[in-house]
Amino acid sequence: EAGVAQSPRYKIIEKRQSVAFWCNPISGHATLYWYQQILGQGPKLLIQFQNNGVVDDSQLPKDRFSAERLKGVDSTLKIQPAKLEDSAVYLCASSTDGQVVYEQYFGPGTRLTVT
Amino acid sequence: GNSVTQMEGPVTLSEEAFLTINCTYTATGYPSLFWYVQYPGEGLQLLLKATKADDKGSNKGFEATYRKETTSFHLEKGSVQVSDSAVYFCALSNQAGTALIFGKGTTLSVSS
Repeated sequence: EAGVAQSPRYKIIEKRQSVAFWCNPISGHATLYWYQQILGQGPKLLIQFQNNGVVDDSQLPKDRFSAERLKGVDSTLKIQPAKLEDSAVYLCASSTDGQVVYEQYFGPGTRLTVT
Repeated sequence: GNSVTQMEGPVTLSEEAFLTINCTYTATGYPSLFWYVQYPGEGLQLLLKATKADDKGSNKGFEATYRKETTSFHLEKGSVQVSDSAVYFCALSNQAGTALIFGKGTTLSVSS
């Protein structure tokens, strides 16, 4: 079974530029999560999708971050304009509702550096 | 609110030493508890889990017991190897299908 795919793996941009990250979850997984992991901290949820609907985006900085999950499969997270404090690893995870405990499977992440 | 507190790192051990990484949590109700591991250059991997009080999760020689009375889920291994060097994250989920809440992570470095 293929894992969660993310691209790019690394991205360096200047502040005020825009950037987009892509995630393809495990086939058949209805739920998709985007987490932000700042250096030295644990991951924190940005947004959660169930199929193509948003379940929780309460911690997404909506003035600069946006995300979509068209057709309930892959997803794109965008930052526009980027700030220095957006430097972090962006993790995508997916889970299925076919289990009692919904284990989350993580992709390798995209490391963003904003200069 | 819900939160997870892990012991500060880094933890530096010699091969075959005993490992304990402390984790305590604050949550309403009966959360599920997890340990994830992040090897250098790789994504987060589920190491073990426990879904109710007194459950013991185990995998690859690692163990953790869900202690509701002390709100703890400490990670232990009897004999660590160099290949165990990684960052370990304790996490909770208050409800199936909801986002994980992570601790800050503990870096483990094992030398031969």
